[in-house]
Amino acid sequence: GAGVSQSPSNKVTEKGKDVELRCDPISGHTALYWYRQSLGQGLEFLIYFQGNSAPDKSGLPSDRFSAERTGGSVSTLTIQRTQQEDSAVYLCASSPRGQPQHFGDGTRLSIL
Amino acid sequence: AQTVTQSQPEMSVQEAETVTLSCTYDTSESDYYLFWYKQPPSRQMILVIRQEAYKQQNATENRFSVNFQKAAKSFSLKISDSQLGDAAMYFCASPRGGADGLTFGKGTHLIIQP
Repeated sequence: GAGVSQSPSNKVTEKGKDVELRCDPISGHTALYWYRQSLGQGLEFLIYFQGNSAPDKSGLPSDRFSAERTGGSVSTLTIQRTQQEDSAVYLCASSPRGQPQHFGDGTRLSIL
Repeated sequence: AQTVTQSQPEMSVQEAETVTLSCTYDTSESDYYLFWYKQPPSRQMILVIRQEAYKQQNATENRFSVNFQKAAKSFSLKISDSQLGDAAMYFCASPRGGADGLTFGKGTHLIIQP
C-alpha cells in the first residue's frame, strides 16, 4: 500500500517568505508527527497529532511555526517569515497509536 | 530532557564482517520501546529493529540484533554479515519522556568497505 507522502520534495525560497509543507499519512494511521533534521544532525521533534485530540506542539521552535491536520488525515506545516536557520529536511511520520512510526521521504527546505 | 547518545559519528566495516553501533539513552519511563532506524541517501527513515523494554530477550531481525542493557540504559545494534546495502546513517531513538514521539541520537554513519 501507499506510504507516507510528502510534498514538495524540495523547496527553495527567499528569506522572509512563508512556506507550506504537506504530509499525507498512511490511511488509517491516527498518529502523525513532524520532525526537523538539520544538516548532520538527528531528528528533532516538532509536533504530534493524535486523532481528534489537541496537538502536542511542545517541539515547535518559535511562533513562526504552526501545523494543522484536517479531517484527521492530511497535515500542513507552515513556517512564516522564514529564516536561514530554518533550512533543514522536514520529515513527517504516521502510525497507528502506540506502533512504530512510518516516515515519508521528507521535504528539503533551503532558505536563500 | 530526554537524551540519546550515539558516540560513534562514523564506523567502517569490511563487507561480510560484523559491526556494532552503540547507543545510550536517558528515560524516566518504566515501560517503553527503543528503536534503530536506517537512513540511506534517499532520506527515508526505515525501521530496522525495535526492543520492548520489559522484555529481557534481545530483539533479532535476520542479520540485525540488539544488545539491550536496561539497567545501563544501553541499546547497541549488531549487524552481522555486513552488506553493501547496509551503508547508511543509523539512528537510535527512545521515548520522548511522558509523551508520544521519539528522541533521536545524532546518528552513526556506517561505511561498508567492499
